[in-house]
Amino acid sequence: DAGITQSPRHKVTETGTPVTLRCHQTENHRYMYWYRQDPGHGLRLIHYSYGVKDTDKGEVSDGYSVSRSKTEDFLLTLESATSSQTSVYFCAITLDRDYGYTFGSGTRLTVV
Amino acid sequence: GESVGLHLPTLSVQEGDNSIINCAYSNSASDYFIWYKQESGKGPQFIIDIRSNMDKRQGQRVTVLLNKTVKHLSLQIAATQPGDSAVYFCAENISNAGNMLTFGGGTRLMVKP
Repeated sequence: DAGITQSPRHKVTETGTPVTLRCHQTENHRYMYWYRQDPGHGLRLIHYSYGVKDTDKGEVSDGYSVSRSKTEDFLLTLESATSSQTSVYFCAITLDRDYGYTFGSGTRLTVV
Repeated sequence: GESVGLHLPTLSVQEGDNSIINCAYSNSASDYFIWYKQESGKGPQFIIDIRSNMDKRQGQRVTVLLNKTVKHLSLQIAATQPGDSAVYFCAENISNAGNMLTFGGGTRLMVKP
């Protein structure tokens, strides 16, 4: 999607290894979000950010950490990947409250 | 790669017919609602939104209806086309509780030529 890029698009990693996913935006939007999408669970919020160095937990934050040192970048880290973290991860951005989100194209992560 | 639920409710319609996708939302305090479309291998795409002070909003070929009494939201797609085949999600938000959308489970729309 224009203005928001996720990297990598696909990754296979081994259990116990650290993994970092990157979300980069060029829209200068304040709010950024990380979701995971799994069959039977839909989209679930992991962490979100409402500004540089301001982050908070979502409903499925265990095992994940985030950082936002610049407006344009929001990083999601799995400190020690587990098979239960195999999923498709989406980043989203929004300008302000009561605006729809713009989603990235997703990162498919497989933990073996 | 497809990444949405394997057992989603599915609506199958004939090309050219109208489609109606329904969503029951959970929180009576929700005041902002959005419909998203997700095609295989892509991120969700914004279709249309509606605020709780309205009960109907129209876009290009799409209409969203909101019934706050029964906490129900619907998306109507006129003259459905093959390109409309996708999974559709509704999402709700409570404005004064932060900007965090809660997503429904989704409905798969299949358009038969």
